[in-house]
Amino acid sequence: DARVTQTPRHKVTEMGQEVTMRCQPILGHNTVFWYRQTMMQGLELLAYFRNRAPLDDSGMPKDRFSAEMPDATLATLKIQPSEPRDSAVYFCASGLVRSGGWDKNTEAFFGQGTRLTVV
Amino acid sequence: ELKVEQNPLFLSMQEGKNYTIYCNYSTTSDRLYWYRQDPGKSLESLFVLLSNGAVKQEGRLMASLDTKARLSTLHITAAVHDLSATYFCAVDMSANSGGSNYKLTFGKGTLLTVNP
Repeated sequence: DARVTQTPRHKVTEMGQEVTMRCQPILGHNTVFWYRQTMMQGLELLAYFRNRAPLDDSGMPKDRFSAEMPDATLATLKIQPSEPRDSAVYFCASGLVRSGGWDKNTEAFFGQGTRLTVV
Repeated sequence: ELKVEQNPLFLSMQEGKNYTIYCNYSTTSDRLYWYRQDPGKSLESLFVLLSNGAVKQEGRLMASLDTKARLSTLHITAAVHDLSATYFCAVDMSANSGGSNYKLTFGKGTLLTVNP
């Protein structure tokens, strides 16, 4: 059963600490998205990658957030230093995009999310 | 900038009734998703609509897409309590980016509560 796996599921940390969230996309998917969900803002796209290359991270506060894909099976989202306003659920999603567009047989699948609380 | 608007944002309905959730988007798109989210859970894909006039049905839910009107609808027939959840539409703005950016912009979601 192919699924997007995120770790940790829950994280409570103190303000100022570094937080790293990890995502394992579905095997064979070449596109990975990071979304943040809050009550006030809804689902916001932070960054996304295709074939491990960052395509757009304009939704991400650059001074404290960074996103990487060290290899095809791992995407990371780091916050350093963390702040209380970063408290949210962070979702990773993956999909397969070919040169002509989305593969008709796939769609964007979401992981279970990481619930981050910064106190 | 692509804007995706859902309405209503909150919907309380009785079991057995029918209702429609609307999703309007501001620019051309060629792919639209509907997702369901239960409280504290992830997003589950319900439908992917790929072309103008596309209609898909699963159980009591039916989704349609009118790309000319930039409108998608999610119709609920004879609602049951198990359908209580938040429903999101998401639009792929790739058609506006020369085909290079395939990413999803989400609406705010519609919180559906089905009362017995």
